[in-house]
Amino acid sequence: SAVISQKPSRDICQRGTSLTIQCQVDSQVTMMFWYRQQPGQSLTLIATANQGSEATYESGFVIDKFPISRPNLTFSTLTVSNMSPEDSSIYLCSVEDWGGPNTEAFFGQGTRLTVV
Amino acid sequence: AQKVTQAQTEISVVEKEDVTLDCVYETRDTTYYLFWYKQPPSGELVFLIRRNSFDEQNEISGRYSWNFQKSTSSFNFTITASQVVDSAVYFCALSEGGNQFYFGTGTSLTVIP
Repeated sequence: SAVISQKPSRDICQRGTSLTIQCQVDSQVTMMFWYRQQPGQSLTLIATANQGSEATYESGFVIDKFPISRPNLTFSTLTVSNMSPEDSSIYLCSVEDWGGPNTEAFFGQGTRLTVV
Repeated sequence: AQKVTQAQTEISVVEKEDVTLDCVYETRDTTYYLFWYKQPPSGELVFLIRRNSFDEQNEISGRYSWNFQKSTSSFNFTITASQVVDSAVYFCALSEGGNQFYFGTGTSLTVIP
């Protein structure tokens, strides 16, 4: 299993500013995942972050808007840049443990972002 | 196309009633994994169960039970004798052995005391 610490847990930000969300895992993992959950919606994958290479972004998400860092195997950051009210969402960090029958995705507590 | 469909957006039941949450998935892979997660109002995602494609045995864990049927591509979740603490959004998810989890749109369950 993996324990993920994500911070901040919530924030209220002014439009046009940027917020960096941190995700710390208690074990080394190859890939870390960032999801967005808009109000009342499901989870949408933003990008996959590999240590030592650029993140891979899903359709509709771009690096300029959501730059990601992955400096080592236990840590990643997601920045939400030039925020607008449409960016108000919960942002979740996740890691996956691919152990065959024990496969599971673990999630941080989420960052609840409100842009005003 | 949506890989995981949860047709029920919202369900309300009275405490102690049984409730079944539906999940239909779509995949061409022979090896895949299905999951249920619970998201209480606090926002964190809580893992409930995992099923792999080779194991169609139904499972019961306390008040929770899961019915996995490959023939209908369904993985339904039943809560018996529901309690107020069961109120949450429940997500069904699929992983095809790659790296991405596909989540359904969630079912919001409200248990009325």
